[in-house]
Amino acid sequence: DAKTTQPPSMDCAEGRAANLPCNHSTISGNEYVYWYRQIHSQGPQYIIHGLKNNETNEMASLIITEDRKSSTLILPHATLRDTAVYYCIVRPNSGNTPLVFGKGTRLSVIA
Amino acid sequence: EADIYQTPRYLVIGTGKKITLECSQTMGHDKMYWYQQDPGMELHLIHYSYGVNSTEKGDLSSESTVSRIRTEHFPLTLESARPSHTSQYLCASSAAAKNYGYTFGSGTRLTVV
Repeated sequence: DAKTTQPPSMDCAEGRAANLPCNHSTISGNEYVYWYRQIHSQGPQYIIHGLKNNETNEMASLIITEDRKSSTLILPHATLRDTAVYYCIVRPNSGNTPLVFGKGTRLSVIA
Repeated sequence: EADIYQTPRYLVIGTGKKITLECSQTMGHDKMYWYQQDPGMELHLIHYSYGVNSTEKGDLSSESTVSRIRTEHFPLTLESARPSHTSQYLCASSAAAKNYGYTFGSGTRLTVV
């Protein structure tokens, strides 16, 4: 059973913000939201994760709704190199639960 | 520079051959994983390990086997390759104290003819 729902694809103009949504309406209290991306057929790359507060790092920002049922990954100034498949994953941060990847969102950044 | 290494990068092999895909990491990570991915499709977890002498099967049933005799090494073996095993195999590792940061290798693209 999928724990997250993401749109299959999105386009974004180069230089604009890319906002990638993710629904996780059945998220549990101890589960975090993680974002990874996969460029072409390379191994996925960790982007960011959060529990309930908004998070920001050098790559992106993560906005989690107050009820934690959805989140948005924001790439503030998308470049062509951000074209990739973006995965939203929900899992506990402690314990031994491996990452399980869904279908993700294929983001195309257009010049 | 990558800290997790997979060899070979590409492999074409005949049906029935035994093959071992190598994965090594130099970060001292306790946890290691193998994922399988067909072109344009999802990644599927096939094996993982939380330390030496620990191995578990993942969500996707696989005819492959793994071993973890050393912390840094997590090879995957196919005893008798078949065309259905044609896929990309991605190895990853993570530190126990840093549960979110998976580091992936470059992958092995296997073709069984």
